[in-house]
Amino acid sequence: DVKVTQSSRYLVKRTGEKVFLECVQDMDHENMFWYRQDPGLGLRLIYFSYDVKMKEKGDIPEGYSVSREKKERFSLILESASTNQTSMYLCASTLSPGHSLTNTEAFFGQGTRLTVV
Amino acid sequence: KQEVTQIPAALSVPEGENLVLNCSFTDSAIYNLQWFRQDPGKGLTSLLLIQSSQREQTSGRLNASLDKSSGRSTLYIAASQPGDSATYLCAVIPRDTDKLIFGTGTRLQVFP
Repeated sequence: DVKVTQSSRYLVKRTGEKVFLECVQDMDHENMFWYRQDPGLGLRLIYFSYDVKMKEKGDIPEGYSVSREKKERFSLILESASTNQTSMYLCASTLSPGHSLTNTEAFFGQGTRLTVV
Repeated sequence: KQEVTQIPAALSVPEGENLVLNCSFTDSAIYNLQWFRQDPGKGLTSLLLIQSSQREQTSGRLNASLDKSSGRSTLYIAASQPGDSATYLCAVIPRDTDKLIFGTGTRLQVFP
């Protein structure tokens, strides 16, 4: 039972290209996240969305933007890909802790390994 | 600002050993703490979720405890197996934000 799906497992893009990473969740979660993961640096939050059309910068938003037009879909956009954006990108979703249900378990997609050449 | 630390960074044990992974956090005002497993090149798989009102959770050979007052959680793995080899991460959701804050993980290797 797949809950969070990322559109690609592997991507290879050229420097300067505009890149779209898509994430879809089927649990009606309010919150969605984009992280990047690099060896020795752990998971770093790029952007966070707590509702449709609402977004908040994470720790490393530079060079990225996001779009959330529908509750189930959260897109990460690399406006002009650079080699230092080569990384593993992970999408996650949770219910809002303020939700009437108390289960705020986070679910992750399978990850997208992006290589920028 | 909430910070999450995991010790040790890496651990190598023989099959069959019971082991403990540690997670500490600086601010006790959290909604929950969650433990994840990550295999190389893959996404994160949720193992256990402990709500702030709970003290522990168990699933099979895994037991996670939470002590908010001391800012600590432990993940206990009983009778370790080579299939347990992976990176284990803990994460908290602080009460002043909905964001998941991660530790840097413990890389576990269980050898036959």
